[in-house]
This record gives sequence, structure tokens and C-alpha cells, in this order.
Amino acid sequence: AQSVTQPDIHITVSEGASLELRCNYSYGATPYLFWYVQSPGQGLQLLLKYFSGDTLVQGIKGFEAEFKRSQSSFNLRKPSVHWSDAAEYFCAVEDAGGTSYGKLTFGQGTILTVHP
Amino acid sequence: DGGITQSPKYLFRKEGQNVTLSCEQNLNHDAMYWYRQDPGQGLRLIYYSQIVNDFQKGDIAEGYSVSREKKESFPLTVTSAQKNPTAFYLCASSEHRLPNQPQHFGDGTRLSIL
Repeated sequence: AQSVTQPDIHITVSEGASLELRCNYSYGATPYLFWYVQSPGQGLQLLLKYFSGDTLVQGIKGFEAEFKRSQSSFNLRKPSVHWSDAAEYFCAVEDAGGTSYGKLTFGQGTILTVHP
Repeated sequence: DGGITQSPKYLFRKEGQNVTLSCEQNLNHDAMYWYRQDPGQGLRLIYYSQIVNDFQKGDIAEGYSVSREKKESFPLTVTSAQKNPTAFYLCASSEHRLPNQPQHFGDGTRLSIL
């Protein structure tokens, strides 16, 4: 079965600093990978996704993620963090077995705090 | 605007009581999902449905039940057999016939025990 690990439970950065959130996955085939963001008390919003092709994918709100097959990683980055980026971030891998898709396995989440 | 509507936003359950959480989508998606979220544990899949009148258990289905009588609706019942129901519940939908289709989420229902 696939699994996703986000090693950092909580990260604190200063506004304007760069950010990298780590995600490692375990999956036998080519993974379909996602990053979602959740503000307190709300649902999840898709930031970006990886399917195939270019290993550096761009998302909304200035985020990007790089797929590294050799490291089984899909880390999320942002060059300059804004206070509004404070939220919880989830990495997920899709179960693409058989003919049906869509079932996701999520990591435990990383809470981002941004200091002014 | 298309989206997913979950109701109510807050729900309280008494001991021995069943409660039903509503989830409606107007995105014309075939697949719908229910997740439970607890602090530090990410999202765990309770049930999912890829087509009307069919659904499958997820990783933590015990104490829960669902139905899928209409494409746009996927209600979740938390039964009295669920001994620790206090959590944040999220409903999602997606187009599952192709890979890499994102899930769209509602704003959740927070369930608490009285």
C-alpha cells in the first residue's frame, strides 16, 4: 500500500523568507502526487499536482514542487513567504491501480507559522 | 458557482445517538469521499463512492455508514458504534475516470460529543 510521510509537523519562518516543506512517498509505480493547503476550520484547496513530464511543477499562490524519483520526494517550495501563507499543508499520493482512480493517501500535514 | 456543500458546520451528538452529516455537490462528479481529520493524523478515508448506488469502505469505516442514491449527494451517518466520533469531517468529490484529477473539498463539519 502506498504511504506518504511529511517529516516536519510544524515549521516557522519569517515573512519574506524562503520555504521548503518536505514530502516522501512510498508507491510502486509512477505516482500521481498532490499538495493541498488548509486554512483553520476550512476544507482543502489544491496547490499543485504532478502526473508526468517536467519534474518541476508550478502551482497557485507562487508555490512550486519538484518531483525526485530517486529520493521518492515531492517537496513544496516558495521563494518568499507571505503572512497569508500560514496554514496547514498536506501532501497526497493517488492510488492509480486498476481502472479507477481518485483515492488519495494523505500525509500527516505540516503546520506553517509565519512571523512578521 | 459549482462546489461542495457540507451541513451542518457544527454538530453535537449525545451518547447512543446516530447523526447524519450532509454532503451535496453540483460539480457533476462521479466520485465522492468522506474523510475524518484528527490533529496530527492528516486525513483518513472513511468511505468512498465512484458511482451511484455503489460505495466502498475506506481505512476507518467501522462505526460509520453511507448511501449514494443520487449522484450529487453522499450523506454520512455516524452511528452509536463509533466510540470516538469527535473530529472534523470532510467531504470531497472528483472525476475519477481519469488519473490525476484533483479532489474538491467542502468546508467540513465539526462533530462533538455532548
